[in-house]
Amino acid sequence: AQSVTQLGSHVSVSEGALVLLRCNYSSSVPPYLFWYVQYPNQGLQLLLKYTSAATLVKGINDFEAEFKKSETSFHLTKPSAHMSDAAEYFCADHTGTASKLTFGTGTRLQVTL
Amino acid sequence: GAVVSQHPSRVICKSGTSVKIECRSLDFQATTMFWYRQFPKKSLMLMATSNEGSKATYEQGVEKDKFLINHASLTLSTLTVTSAHPEDSSFYICSATDGGLDYGYTFGSGTRLTVV
Repeated sequence: AQSVTQLGSHVSVSEGALVLLRCNYSSSVPPYLFWYVQYPNQGLQLLLKYTSAATLVKGINDFEAEFKKSETSFHLTKPSAHMSDAAEYFCADHTGTASKLTFGTGTRLQVTL
Repeated sequence: GAVVSQHPSRVICKSGTSVKIECRSLDFQATTMFWYRQFPKKSLMLMATSNEGSKATYEQGVEKDKFLINHASLTLSTLTVTSAHPEDSSFYICSATDGGLDYGYTFGSGTRLTVV
């Protein structure tokens, strides 16, 4: 079964520092990959998605992710962290039947002064 | 952009009662809706997938008689937690897609259910 692995359940960065959140997928067929952000007691907001077009995907709030087939990775980056980026981030994969998304376990991003 | 409205955002109910949660797509036709449950500091667990006019497809281990899902129109799906118990307390989130090629999945803002 397909799976999505997010390395690091908790990442802490200083304000202004680079943000790197890791995501690896297991699908053997071309995946469609997503990054979502969740603030406390809220639903999920789409940051960006990869749907087999450009491998470098730019999203909202200066986030971007690069699809690397050789590494089966889709890591999320942001050049300069802001306090408002503190949230839970989920990587998800859609390759199965019934249009289902498979979510990673999430990474909590903490931004410190 | 696509908007999904989920209501209520918070609900407290007594054990043994039923609670209905609504999920509406406001500006698109949701051919498929999904219901998730999220435990504290955990990822989303898919409970069921519903297609308009069809019976919902439940994930393994989810009691379909306890979590009743109705998707009667292309803009509305409801989740009813029947005979709720404290262990049903959780954060429930719906998601909807129009099945388009851009694979857009729009999420509701979630419902915090507390059963006392």
